Amino acid sequence: DAKTTQPPSMDCAEGRAANLPCNHSTISGNEYVYWYRQIHSQGPQYIIHGLKNNETNEMASLIITEDRKSSTLILPHATLRDTAVYYCIVRGIAAGNKLTFGGGTRVLVKP
Amino acid sequence: DAGVTQSPTHLIKTRGQQVTLRCSPKSGHDTVSWYQQALGQGPQFIFQYYEEEERQRGNFPDRFSGHQFPNYSSELNVNALLLGDSALYLCASSLPESSLGSVSYEQYFGPGTRLTVT
Repeated sequence: DAKTTQPPSMDCAEGRAANLPCNHSTISGNEYVYWYRQIHSQGPQYIIHGLKNNETNEMASLIITEDRKSSTLILPHATLRDTAVYYCIVRGIAAGNKLTFGGGTRVLVKP
Repeated sequence: DAGVTQSPTHLIKTRGQQVTLRCSPKSGHDTVSWYQQALGQGPQFIFQYYEEEERQRGNFPDRFSGHQFPNYSSELNVNALLLGDSALYLCASSLPESSLGSVSYEQYFGPGTRLTVT
């Protein structure tokens, strides 16, 4: 699976949009970009995933660049409950069920 | 709809002992994966079970073994515990990729079991 690079931490103001970047320059054509988050002392929670088109669900939006070498997770209106570690993961069929977690981005939403 | 459940929530063991952790997958899921998460680190894949067989394995020694039952629940066994085995052990369930013909699906994680080895 392609390696991902994320900033180690970032702060966000409550009510504002949070934009979380992820670089995955070695991604291959059949690999998906996944985002999970982990709130303190809980198991990781699935947020969203995509292949090449932008995706949106009730939690977030995922913007993937045209060359697919980077992506951005957008939390449209951050709340204090969005404080968590956010993981960007690239996974292809060869990986099967295996998710390879990196260090993630520790997001602190401030009032 | 019950999510992924794990037991126990916390466990304290002594070096050299053996431990068994349990996981029940989300309703409708039949594939279970186990992860180890050391303090301050991201989760590391241990192995995956489907149809009562180990299908994939990460870089973990043979001291780590597992089992899946006909009802899809799973156990993780760790023998000869070391201090370094202290971690949060996470279980995740999903539909098998073969049933969907792709890798485009999410996995659901349980709350984890916190194991402390003294």
